[in-house]
Amino acid sequence: NAGVTQTPKFQVLKTGQSMTLQCAQDMNHNSMYWYRQDPGMGLRLIYYSASEGTTDKGEVPNGYNVSRLNKREFSLRLESAAPSQTSVYFCASSRGPTGNTIYFGEGSWLTVV
Amino acid sequence: EDQVTQSPEALRLQEGESSSLNCSYTVSGLRGLFWYRQDPGKGPEFLFTLYSAGEEKEKERLKATLTKKESFLHITAPKPEDSATYLCAVQADVGGGNKLVFGAGTILRVKS
Repeated sequence: NAGVTQTPKFQVLKTGQSMTLQCAQDMNHNSMYWYRQDPGMGLRLIYYSASEGTTDKGEVPNGYNVSRLNKREFSLRLESAAPSQTSVYFCASSRGPTGNTIYFGEGSWLTVV
Repeated sequence: EDQVTQSPEALRLQEGESSSLNCSYTVSGLRGLFWYRQDPGKGPEFLFTLYSAGEEKEKERLKATLTKKESFLHITAPKPEDSATYLCAVQADVGGGNKLVFGAGTILRVKS
């Protein structure tokens, strides 16, 4: 009953370092998403993948890259971390690209110092 | 621009004291309105989806309603375990894709 699994749970980076957040879902969903959550701002979409082999920018894509590795996995990469990227990151998935419920992972807490 | 505004930002209730949370939205072509519950340190947990004005859905002490401009989450006789942040999100019918626009949430505290 795993659903959406993210790793790592917690990470501290120095400014300029790079890292990749990993995400996998076991619900055979076609669409996957990366959101970030900041205090008082709600969840904001970074990138999404409507289906395997496609990726598109969301509301706040600058400073990030993504890879849809296969149907199950969708990774988020920070090439050169900045303090402004300190946030909680959530991976999510849905059965299809429109009109379907989105299910979230437990989150990854990232601090950039 | 699609917008979602939730009020109040925070709400304190006594156990058993019923109340409502509000979600006002501005969107071009509503595809769906979603309610989520989020506990501290956890990801959002899906509660309801509403698709058209007049629709209502219930789950235990929670009831969600939808009009053309807003949604309410009614909490009847709440218990301390209902304490959480409640998030509202809308999916717009513009540009395709299942892109949800979230409100900032309402933090609910229920005291025994």
